[in-house]
Amino acid sequence: EAAVTQSPRNKVAVTGGKVTLSCNQTNNHNNMYWYRQDTGHGLRLIHYSYGAGSTEKGDIPDGYKASRPSQENFSLILELATPSQTSVYFCASGDDWGYSYEQYFGPGTRLTVL
Amino acid sequence: AQSVTQPDARVTVSEGASLQLRCKYSYFGTPYLFWYVQYPRQGLQLLLKYYPGDPVVQGVNGFEAEFSKSNSSFHLRKASVHWSDWAVYFCAVRSGSFNKLTFGAGTRLAVCP
Repeated sequence: EAAVTQSPRNKVAVTGGKVTLSCNQTNNHNNMYWYRQDTGHGLRLIHYSYGAGSTEKGDIPDGYKASRPSQENFSLILELATPSQTSVYFCASGDDWGYSYEQYFGPGTRLTVL
Repeated sequence: AQSVTQPDARVTVSEGASLQLRCKYSYFGTPYLFWYVQYPRQGLQLLLKYYPGDPVVQGVNGFEAEFSKSNSSFHLRKASVHWSDWAVYFCAVRSGSFNKLTFGAGTRLAVCP
């Protein structure tokens, strides 16, 4: 069973502050993803990574950075948080061999920027 | 570009009734399609997936979905809904390299006694 964990689960930040969301997976998947979930939009891809040391922009990368220091860990960084970044953030992992195209999701982080 | 449309933001059904949640996709080529479920305050869990082959695919908890290339649809069905099916359901299509997914906006299912 895929195991993806996220920390913190809840975060309150101030406008202009720096926020780091962390994700860890124990499945040795090459690919990892960060999404945000907003009502009416479903999940939208912010950044993704195909292996340690790589990060790529997704569909809505503005205002976010990502870091993949190891196979297991993938962080999302908000250098200058804004209220518009209040959302629920999900991390996911997935493999890229054979025909296993599904993604495995973490429990989410609820971020409020005041 | 690929996209997924779930036309019903909210659906309410009675417990024991049948269910269909609609999903329309736009994709050039052969799509790989997914239905995920999100229970309250949880992450997304895979319900079922379509890889090219049999158009009707079975998932967990009695869910199934039917792929239609002519209608660009991948509707989710269940013969008899249980109260525990109360959740948000997302349809998604594999979109490009590194197995990225494009999601629909989701359908919130409420189950009445």
